[in-house]
Amino acid sequence: EPEVTQTPSHQVTQMGQEVILRCVPISNHLYFYWYRQILGQKVEFLVSFYNNEISEKSEIFDDQFSVERPDGSNFTLKIRSTKLEDSAMYFCASTPGGREEKLFFGSGTQLSVL
Amino acid sequence: ILNVEQSPQSLHVQEGDSTNFTCSFPSSNFYALHWYRWETAKSPEALFVMTLNGDEKKKGRISATLNTKEGYSYLYIKGSQPEDSATYLCAAKGDSGYSTLTFGKGTMLLVSP
Repeated sequence: EPEVTQTPSHQVTQMGQEVILRCVPISNHLYFYWYRQILGQKVEFLVSFYNNEISEKSEIFDDQFSVERPDGSNFTLKIRSTKLEDSAMYFCASTPGGREEKLFFGSGTQLSVL
Repeated sequence: ILNVEQSPQSLHVQEGDSTNFTCSFPSSNFYALHWYRWETAKSPEALFVMTLNGDEKKKGRISATLNTKEGYSYLYIKGSQPEDSATYLCAAKGDSGYSTLTFGKGTMLLVSP
């Protein structure tokens, strides 16, 4: 069964460094998302992406964050200058399309900012 | 952003017990309710998507109901098995053009043999 893949599974970085989290959504899906979960807290929406542009973003997704679909398969989340509070599990998800459709999640990247 | 609450926060049952959890959400401005199962070290996996008041969905021993008028959904597991151990997440979507899913904190279920 097709699945969303994320790399790396764990990322440790120093505060102030840039990180890029990578995702390969399911190939025929059209909508892409990033969510994150800080330990002990709710899963939070960051951004949605459709037709090569951001369709919606949350207050968390400030100027330090950006997303890109550099080719036909990858979908990346960049954090320009990481902060301690960016430490979280970051999930990529995709859907074929349609508002009622379920999300297909990747297994996540655990980001630790030291 | 909707306020989605789940209870209990965690639950420990014995194999064979039946159990249920609750998800509550604002009844106004509702569009859809999702349930996901998240096993440790794996991807969250969709169980159900429900939109209509009174909806009941079933997948094996797991079922879910939806009450949009009072703003709650129940997830039931009949005859729990150790492999049901996971965190169960619910998420609600509001009825606006670009509304996104808002998740609850999840219910962590542990089923002991």
